[in-house]
Amino acid sequence: DAKTTQPNSMESNEEEPVHLPCNHSTISGTDYIHWYRQLPSQGPEYVIHGLTSNVNNRMASLAIAEDRKSSTLILHRATLRDAAVYYCILRGIFGNEKLTFGTGTRLTIIP
Amino acid sequence: DGGITQSPKYLFRKEGQNVTLSCEQNLNHDAMYWYRQDPGQGLRLIYYSQIVNDFQKGDIAEGYSVSREKKESFPLTVTSAQKNPTAFYLCASSIRDRGLDEQYFGPGTRLTVT
Repeated sequence: DAKTTQPNSMESNEEEPVHLPCNHSTISGTDYIHWYRQLPSQGPEYVIHGLTSNVNNRMASLAIAEDRKSSTLILHRATLRDAAVYYCILRGIFGNEKLTFGTGTRLTIIP
Repeated sequence: DGGITQSPKYLFRKEGQNVTLSCEQNLNHDAMYWYRQDPGQGLRLIYYSQIVNDFQKGDIAEGYSVSREKKESFPLTVTSAQKNPTAFYLCASSIRDRGLDEQYFGPGTRLTVT
């Protein structure tokens, strides 16, 4: 299974942009890159996903490297409610595969 | 409101007892999933179901059983064979089981076995 590597923790100041990196050097051409986040004692929440091109939605942006071996989740203006554990996950195009959540990146927002 | 419900939020059981965790969705999703999360860890897949009357083992299926008799329901039974059942259990669903489909998660059930 293709795996991802993320920093254990990051800090950011409130109202500033946050860039959360993810390495996935063994990604295959048909793997989607998904990001989820989890607040304490809650279920994960979908953030964004992409295949090759950069993606934007109301929550965040996803920047995918040209060789697809890494990606960055961008929160444009962090708020205290963005403090969570962020998971970067690869998902094969046909599903049928185990969705593997690593330990993610714990994001702390400093007021 | 569409969504996934899990009940109860907290569950306490004595060792040696089987316990069933409920998961219901009204999103009309075909695929449903059960995950386990231990403190400070990521999620691990227990079982998943791509369609009614079908389910597959995940990474840690031993000591667990599931059924999928209805599209909207995917209950998980934690049997006495599960050696370390105390954990946070999360249910999820998605439209289909495809790479581009996002998963919607329930609020979770925290099971404590003593």
